[in-house]
Amino acid sequence: GENVEQHPSTLSVQEGDSAVIKCTYSDSASNYFPWYKQELGKRPQLIIDIRSNVGEKKDQRIAVTLNKTAKHFSLHITETQPEDSAVYFCAASIGYGQNFVFGPGTRLSVLP
Amino acid sequence: NAGVTQTPKFQVLKTGQSMTLQCAQDMNHEYMSWYRQDPGMGLRLIHYSVGAGITDQGEVPNGYNVSRSTTEDFPLRLLSAAPSQTSVYFCASNRRGGATDTQYFGPGTRLTVL
Repeated sequence: GENVEQHPSTLSVQEGDSAVIKCTYSDSASNYFPWYKQELGKRPQLIIDIRSNVGEKKDQRIAVTLNKTAKHFSLHITETQPEDSAVYFCAASIGYGQNFVFGPGTRLSVLP
Repeated sequence: NAGVTQTPKFQVLKTGQSMTLQCAQDMNHEYMSWYRQDPGMGLRLIHYSVGAGITDQGEVPNGYNVSRSTTEDFPLRLLSAAPSQTSVYFCASNRRGGATDTQYFGPGTRLTVL
């Protein structure tokens, strides 16, 4: 079955710096890769996603890149702000795309 | 739209008790799923449903039952609670379409089994 690894598990950056979180997946049939942000005590919220026919997608300060050959995808956050502090999860679709396997999460701390 | 709703928000059980976690969505989504979230382990799929009357097991199904009698509701039943089932439970739903669609999560239920 699909296995998703995520690195690093914790990440601290200074406000204004960039943050990069990387995920790898094992199933070449996976074709949809969402990223979720989860604040303490809250539900996961989708922040950006990418489909397998696209190599890169950007939404303001957030971007995601996908390398299907290498089976890895990355989240890039530029000009980080304290409100970016949260746990970030990557995920990969499985089956017919109705379900997902999640990475273990990255705790991002943005230091003022 | 209320989106995905879950009840209760918090629950404390004793070992051996049974209970049902409720989940409902008003977006007419075909797909619904239950996940558990444990510290440092991300979200793990318990059971899922691709439509009313159809359910299947996920990664960690033991000790849980589900049913899907309507499109809107997808309850999760704990048959005989164990301390290992202490976790935060999230219900999620997404639409079935030609391409995979966004998965929306409920607010979660924090369950403690003593």
